[in-house]
Amino acid sequence: NAGVTQTPKFRILKIGQSMTLQCTQDMNHNYMYWYRQDPGMGLKLIYYSVGAGITDKGEVPNGYNVSRSTTEDFPLRLELAAPSQTSVYFCASSYSPGWSNQPQHFGDGTRLSIL
Amino acid sequence: GESVGLHLPTLSVQEGDNSIINCAYSNSASDYFIWYKQESGKGPQFIIDIRSNMDKRQGQRVTVLLNKTVKHLSLQIAATQPGDSAVYFCAGSAESRLTFGEGTQLTVNP
Repeated sequence: NAGVTQTPKFRILKIGQSMTLQCTQDMNHNYMYWYRQDPGMGLKLIYYSVGAGITDKGEVPNGYNVSRSTTEDFPLRLELAAPSQTSVYFCASSYSPGWSNQPQHFGDGTRLSIL
Repeated sequence: GESVGLHLPTLSVQEGDNSIINCAYSNSASDYFIWYKQESGKGPQFIIDIRSNMDKRQGQRVTVLLNKTVKHLSLQIAATQPGDSAVYFCAGSAESRLTFGEGTQLTVNP
């Protein structure tokens, strides 16, 4: 059971470049999330999705875009990479928002450096 | 909005001792709290959760206590083992979104 899979694991970008962080889950979860984690800090929500075709902004959405064309996949797009976007990015999924013993499951992260 | 914070950024304990990690939250509307463990280079891993209508919940070697009066929750780890060394995050849920604290680094000394 793969759970939540993120690719790539590491990436270095130049300022102004673009890239897509991939996230896929095989648990048939409706809800998916993107977080960023800066050194020594907790996770901050970038975007989330409650189902295919539906996305919404989180706490720190500026500079990012998402799409959700399928239940399984939730890619995160950086259009014009900036040094402030250097971080570790985590994707997560959950069955429902009701939290009835259904916590979010996390991938192992993408470590992104913008130089 | 919700803010979730931790009292101590680091905690060092001896193997076999009990560990207590504390967390404070600000949003009274938070209806659900979760503790996550994050090992180096890995994503957060679910440990235990508790609903706001509960005061205590126990798992295997872990207990979460919730004090809504002072907006405080704690994670207790019994008989701490070297494999428990990690960063521990509390997270509070309101309106179906989680807000994470900054984490406590737990170090277990042999």
